[in-house]
Amino acid sequence: DSGVTQTPKHLITATGQRVTLRCSPRSGDLSVYWYQQSLDQGLQFLIQYYNGEERAKGNILERFSAQQFPDLHSELNLSSLELGDSALYFCASSPDGGDPYEQYFGPGTRLTVT
Amino acid sequence: AQTVTQSQPEMSVQEAETVTLSCTYDTSESDYYLFWYKQPPSRQMILVIRQEAYKQQNATENRFSVNFQKAAKSFSLKISDSQLGDAAMYFCAYKIVRFGAGTRLTVKP
Repeated sequence: DSGVTQTPKHLITATGQRVTLRCSPRSGDLSVYWYQQSLDQGLQFLIQYYNGEERAKGNILERFSAQQFPDLHSELNLSSLELGDSALYFCASSPDGGDPYEQYFGPGTRLTVT
Repeated sequence: AQTVTQSQPEMSVQEAETVTLSCTYDTSESDYYLFWYKQPPSRQMILVIRQEAYKQQNATENRFSVNFQKAAKSFSLKISDSQLGDAAMYFCAYKIVRFGAGTRLTVKP
């Protein structure tokens, strides 16, 4: 158990809908990262938040947005969902905001768009 | 832009043997971390080993070691005495923001 929690574990929704994925980082970690893993592919870095502020941005679509709250949990919002958004979404956390020496992954949320 | 290439989509090894997974990357930076992650069928991402670019000594974690060639931008993973539990997808990562496409490792009993 990495100490990073993600909810829900599974999510099935229809095209055009909006969903919110939630992540609670490991106790004491200030950075949260979001990744997308499509079927049998590598992880695509989406975005990083550090202590409530956006720190780095990867290949995140405009239909996607994220935020980190004062209690350091983070939410990833996906809107106008398309079939191609079906993927495993990982959250990870690390203690600080720089290049992480260590990073802890959550179990992921599997999103299925039908 | 930094890229990470894993040229072996699939690899197979006999139990107790040694296997090497390849990874190359491209960057203009001089200081960075490189990682190997394991993803078993449970899909959980598990850190296997990390290498700091400014350290010339290759990292080692039990049966796992790396061959880090900074000038060649190469970062291969060697698994010694392979075990059935090593069967998984292995991902090479540059600074955790760029991942390779992965290598699926099969371990034959």
